[in-house]
Amino acid sequence: DAGITQSPRHKVTETGTPVTLRCHQTENHRYMYWYRQDPGHGLRLIHYSYGVKDTDKGEVSDGYSVSRSKTEDFLLTLESATSSQTSVYFCAISENWGRSSGNTIYFGEGSWLTVV
Amino acid sequence: AQTVTQSQPEMSVQEAETVTLSCTYDTSESDYYLFWYKQPPSRQMILVIRQEAYKQQNATENRFSVNFQKAAKSFSLKISDSQLGDAAMYFCAYRSASGSARQLTFGSGTQLTVLP
Repeated sequence: DAGITQSPRHKVTETGTPVTLRCHQTENHRYMYWYRQDPGHGLRLIHYSYGVKDTDKGEVSDGYSVSRSKTEDFLLTLESATSSQTSVYFCAISENWGRSSGNTIYFGEGSWLTVV
Repeated sequence: AQTVTQSQPEMSVQEAETVTLSCTYDTSESDYYLFWYKQPPSRQMILVIRQEAYKQQNATENRFSVNFQKAAKSFSLKISDSQLGDAAMYFCAYRSASGSARQLTFGSGTQLTVLP
């Protein structure tokens, strides 16, 4: 299994408060992603990173920011949490691109966030 | 933008029987990768099988195989000798071979029930 650790795994927070989810990897992979999973939508990309300090937006990035100061850590921040951000959040990683790498994306175990 | 469609929200199969899950995708690219992920009740995303678009041969992993029809943009998953542990949500996913993100785009999932 890929070495991906998400923290916290479960969190309940109040509307309007800031929340940071952390993804830590031990694989030294270049690409890191944050997805959210909601019923009927599969997984949708929030933000991604293709290197230290190199990040960009996904399809559902509004209300979220990210940072990656080290290869192993990718932080997702909800600046002011809203009830619509109640979801399960998945971090994912992928090694450098290339035919030999398998091009597979591996997922962490998920973080359950409830905004009340 | 690529889209992935899973038209079967729910399916069921008798234990030891064979079931096929459907997936279609829309892309203008010629080089890409396709995946099936399994998500059991634990919510862990588990890679089931992977197909490279440049390969004509269908991928196989033990009881799991795919029928990849590139011209039709179809990528179905066949599960043979179904087991109770196969019960899960199954997601089809597309990954581009170009662009900075190279993220996975997911279908909405098919919930598979295995009947004893």
